[in-house]
Amino acid sequence: QSALTQPASVSGSPGQSITISCTGTSSDIGGYTYVSWYLQYPGKGPQLMIYDVNKRPSGVSDRLSGSKSANTAFLTISGLQAEDEADYYCCSYTTTSTSFYVFGTGTKVTVL
Amino acid sequence: EVQLVESGGGLVQPGGSLRLSCAVSGFSFSGIWMTWVRQAPGKGLECIGRITTTGSGGATAYAESVKDRFIISRDDSKNTLYLQMNSLKIEDTAMYYCTTLLIGRFHSWGQGTLVTVFS
Repeated sequence: QSALTQPASVSGSPGQSITISCTGTSSDIGGYTYVSWYLQYPGKGPQLMIYDVNKRPSGVSDRLSGSKSANTAFLTISGLQAEDEADYYCCSYTTTSTSFYVFGTGTKVTVL
Repeated sequence: EVQLVESGGGLVQPGGSLRLSCAVSGFSFSGIWMTWVRQAPGKGLECIGRITTTGSGGATAYAESVKDRFIISRDDSKNTLYLQMNSLKIEDTAMYYCTTLLIGRFHSWGQGTLVTVFS
């Protein structure tokens, strides 16, 4: 099972909106609504930010939103803030991995 | 407050073994599926395996990269998750995280424990 494909880096100025893509196949993103997104600060464990494509756990800012179209999922961060600078990983349920989940390659978000 | 605290990482030579532990608190451990996710230095995340609840048989599933070498188990009486790692390879060098697994998502994460396999 190959990792889902994300851009290596995305950047934006404070207040702007950015979107991170996550491309898979019909065996993962395209076939299921179990798409999630994780934020990871340097030296820290990841944190769940979005699940079931577009749901936010309690406590997660509503500036983050998720969507999906065919085999690609998207994470949009609006009103970019300094605290958004981190690594972001997508993840999907999959039928082609014996562990049933596949992560994306990761995207470094930089706030200019 | 939900807490997951991994321990047991360290230095080991190729072919060696190591057992990681994950002590949890703040939620009903026995009712939750659990996973181990690893991250090689400077790399992305990889789910290496999961275990269902004991009530569901404690069934396990593993990534091909660790199948037949790693074993996940749980002790509900101690609120602890384990990862027995055998026949370790240099490419197993990584930070190892335990997580709760709700339907379709890795909900809560620990801070990780570092495993370094060196010759």
